Amino acid sequence: NAGVTQTPKFQVLKTGQSMTLQCAQDMNHEYMSWYRQDPGMGLRLIHYSVGAGITDQGEVPNGYNVSRSTTEDFPLRLLSAAPSQTSVYFCASSYEADNYGYTFGSGTRLTVV
Amino acid sequence: KNQVEQSPQSLIILEGKNCTLQCNYTVSPFSNLRWYKQDTGRGPVSLTIMTFSENTKSNGRYTATLDADTKQSSLHITASQLSDSASYICVVSLSGGSYIPTFGRGTSLIVHP
Repeated sequence: NAGVTQTPKFQVLKTGQSMTLQCAQDMNHEYMSWYRQDPGMGLRLIHYSVGAGITDQGEVPNGYNVSRSTTEDFPLRLLSAAPSQTSVYFCASSYEADNYGYTFGSGTRLTVV
Repeated sequence: KNQVEQSPQSLIILEGKNCTLQCNYTVSPFSNLRWYKQDTGRGPVSLTIMTFSENTKSNGRYTATLDADTKQSSLHITASQLSDSASYICVVSLSGGSYIPTFGRGTSLIVHP
């Protein structure tokens, strides 16, 4: 089915470990983005990309890296996990950054202990 | 600072009743306003998107209105169903090439039989 696929769905990390959250879309969307959702707060943008080879920082980029080598994939890397990165992470895509609703993935629930 | 405030924080209604959710924003210059529905444990799903020149947009039983002069939007749900129980999120984007939308914290709606 067409859409945004995120893996894994759940992950537990120890402080200091690194990992990559995967995001793939098959809708030929140019715009892709990563958000974190914490209790009592709105979704916050971590990084985004307006096309292959182009990435930029959002509101809360510290501790995260991204790359966009293909239109389909937009992985999010945690460099050295910290308990403050415990959150639910969502990947979203759209034809372009504005004027279209975003298609969100089902999320990755990350716990850092 | 660009902000999106949603009210009420939570709402409980009986199945079949109508309800209206509010969104006030200070985002400027304004590009568009989107409403999303987020079921528990799932990613948000786009309901409507409105630009500056639009003042109403419908999607089935969901009708969004926008008053760009007062910077207010509302989401009206008609003949509520149990499946409408979810969080409803208002998102406002800036114009001028800024790709960092501002998310509201959401209104949690519970529909009781």
